[in-house]
Amino acid sequence: GQQVMQIPQYQHVQEGEDFTTYCNSSTTLSNIQWYKQRPGGHPVFLIQLVKSGEVKKQKRLTFQFGEAKKNSSLHITATQTTDVGTYFCAVIARPGQNFVFGPGTRLSVLP
Amino acid sequence: NAGVTQTPKFQVLKTGQSMTLQCAQDMNHNSMYWYRQDPGMGLRLIYYSASEGTTDKGEVPNGYNVSRLNKREFSLRLESAAPSQTSVYFCASGFALGEKLFFGSGTQLSVL
Repeated sequence: GQQVMQIPQYQHVQEGEDFTTYCNSSTTLSNIQWYKQRPGGHPVFLIQLVKSGEVKKQKRLTFQFGEAKKNSSLHITATQTTDVGTYFCAVIARPGQNFVFGPGTRLSVLP
Repeated sequence: NAGVTQTPKFQVLKTGQSMTLQCAQDMNHNSMYWYRQDPGMGLRLIYYSASEGTTDKGEVPNGYNVSRLNKREFSLRLESAAPSQTSVYFCASGFALGEKLFFGSGTQLSVL
């Protein structure tokens, strides 16, 4: 079955530092989504990537889809305490299938 | 516009008891899902309904049943709860399979 890994599992950063999490798949993907879950909250959709090599930005967040469509990254520039939470990737191997979620990267931001 | 509404928010059961988790969405979505979330394991799909009138098993369906009551409502039933079903349960919906998901606020279930 679909294998999805996210690294790192945990990351502690000082406020103002950058942060990157990676999502790696064992198979080529149709598309990938990223979600954020605040502590005690529910996952909230951030972005969807479809094209090989695609890069999308949302303010301080930059999302990238790998050229081979087997991995993706989420980079946060100059973290803030509001960035605290767990970031999940969710992948689809073929259109019409369900998403498989990665285990998540938990980000802590120290003020 | 409430989005996805789940009830109850918290529940404690004894082993062997049964219960139904309720979920309703008001976004006219076709697809609905039930996930469970355990520490360090992300979200695992229990059952889903691609459209009204259909239901299918996900990754971890054993011990659960679902009903897509109508387009708005999708319930999850535990017939005989076990401690291994202690988890946080999320209902989600989307316009179609593979579209972005909107999640409910979750149900924290403990089975003693």
